[in-house]
Amino acid sequence: GQQVMQIPQYQHVQEGEDFTTYCNSSTTLSNIQWYKQRPGGHPVFLIQLVKSGEVKKQKRLTFQFGEAKKNSSLHITATQTTDVGTYFCAGPNAGGTSYGKLTFGQGTILTVHP
Amino acid sequence: GAVVSQHPSRVICKSGTSVKIECRSLDFQATTMFWYRQFPKQSLMLMATSNEGSKATYEQGVEKDKFLINHASLTLSTLTVTSAHPEDSSFYICSARSLGQAQYFGAGTRLSVL
Repeated sequence: GQQVMQIPQYQHVQEGEDFTTYCNSSTTLSNIQWYKQRPGGHPVFLIQLVKSGEVKKQKRLTFQFGEAKKNSSLHITATQTTDVGTYFCAGPNAGGTSYGKLTFGQGTILTVHP
Repeated sequence: GAVVSQHPSRVICKSGTSVKIECRSLDFQATTMFWYRQFPKQSLMLMATSNEGSKATYEQGVEKDKFLINHASLTLSTLTVTSAHPEDSSFYICSARSLGQAQYFGAGTRLSVL
C-alpha cells in the first residue's frame, strides 16, 4: 500500500535557526498537504500543493512539491517559539473509492529553544 | 470557515461502559468524515471513513462492532466506543472533508478508561 515517510522524526533548534522537514511518498501524489499540530492540540491544515515543482510561501514557511510529485518539503526560516509542534505531511490515497482518505507521514516534532 | 466541533473533549469512564463522541461540521456540509486514533508522539491512525447515509468503511484491524460509527446527517458523525476497556484509552480525532481535498479536524477527545 501507499506509504508516506517523513524525516526527521525529531528536530531541536535554537530560536532563530532554520528548520526543514522532508516527506517522501512511495507513489506519485495528486497533491500533498501539510498540517501542524501544537502540543495537546489537533492537526490544523496549513497548505495544499498540487502542481509539479510548486513552491508556496506563508510568511516564514516555504513549501515545495517535487518535480516527480513524490516528495515535498517544509522549510521554516528563523524559527520562533510559536513554531513548536508536530508537522505532518499527507497525501491522498489513490483509487476511486478512497473518499478522500489521506495517508499521513509520521510527523516531525519540532522543539524550539529560546 | 471549515470549522469542525468535536464533543466531549475529555472523557473518563469505568471499564465496560460505552462512550459516544460527536463530530459536527459547523459551517459546511461534509459528506465524508474520518475518525482517527492517535497515540502520544505518534502519527494519526485512520480508523474509519464515515459517509453520510451509508455504512462506515473500517480500516484493517479496526473492530466495527467495537467502534460504532453513525453518520446521520451531512453535519454530524458519531463514534461510539462500546464496552470500553483500558486499552481503548487514547486520543480520538475526527475530521471532515470540505469541497477540496483538505481535511479539517475537530479538537479531539481524550478517552481514559479506568
